[in-house]
Amino acid sequence: KQEVTQIPAALSVPEGENLVLNCSFTDSAIYNLQWFRQDPGKGLTSLLLIQSSQREQTSGRLNASLDKSSGRSTLYIAASQPGDSATYLCAVRPQGGSEKLVFGKGTKLTVNP
Amino acid sequence: DGGITQSPKYLFRKEGQNVTLSCEQNLNHDAMYWYRQDPGQGLRLIYYSQIVNDFQKGDIAEGYSVSREKKESFPLTVTSAQKNPTAFYLCASSPALTYEQYFGPGTRLTVT
Repeated sequence: KQEVTQIPAALSVPEGENLVLNCSFTDSAIYNLQWFRQDPGKGLTSLLLIQSSQREQTSGRLNASLDKSSGRSTLYIAASQPGDSATYLCAVRPQGGSEKLVFGKGTKLTVNP
Repeated sequence: DGGITQSPKYLFRKEGQNVTLSCEQNLNHDAMYWYRQDPGQGLRLIYYSQIVNDFQKGDIAEGYSVSREKKESFPLTVTSAQKNPTAFYLCASSPALTYEQYFGPGTRLTVT
């Protein structure tokens, strides 16, 4: 059974710092991996989708990497801003094109001015 | 504006009553999903639909029902059989099952 873990559960950093959020999964047979952002009381916003054949994806100050063999993905945020404060969720889709995304519990990020 | 709408944002019901949550999308996506989010837990899949008039159970379908009569609409009914209905419910859609999922703003249901 695929399990997704995000450590730490919470992270607090000063504004301007570069930071890395971690996501690990137990079964390397994945179809793709998606990173989301969730603000309090809101829905999820898709940030980046990495296909299993890709090593990384970039969007603005965000860079997500994928190492399938080790069951790890990282989300790198450059020059963090207070507006980046949110919970970041990682989800993997098992291989075979399953309908099911398996979510981690998220990392709550606080960027202090 | 293209997107997914969920209504209402907050919903309060008495125990024993059925309640229906609305989800509408104008993205022309074939696939739609319902998730439940509880504090300290990851999102869990309730039901999903690949195409109109077809839907499948997810991991926690007991006590819930859905319909997919139109491509743009996928309402979720929380029945009185659901033992712990109080939660944050999220609807999502994607062009097809394996594609990137897009989420609505959510409905917070409180049952007392």
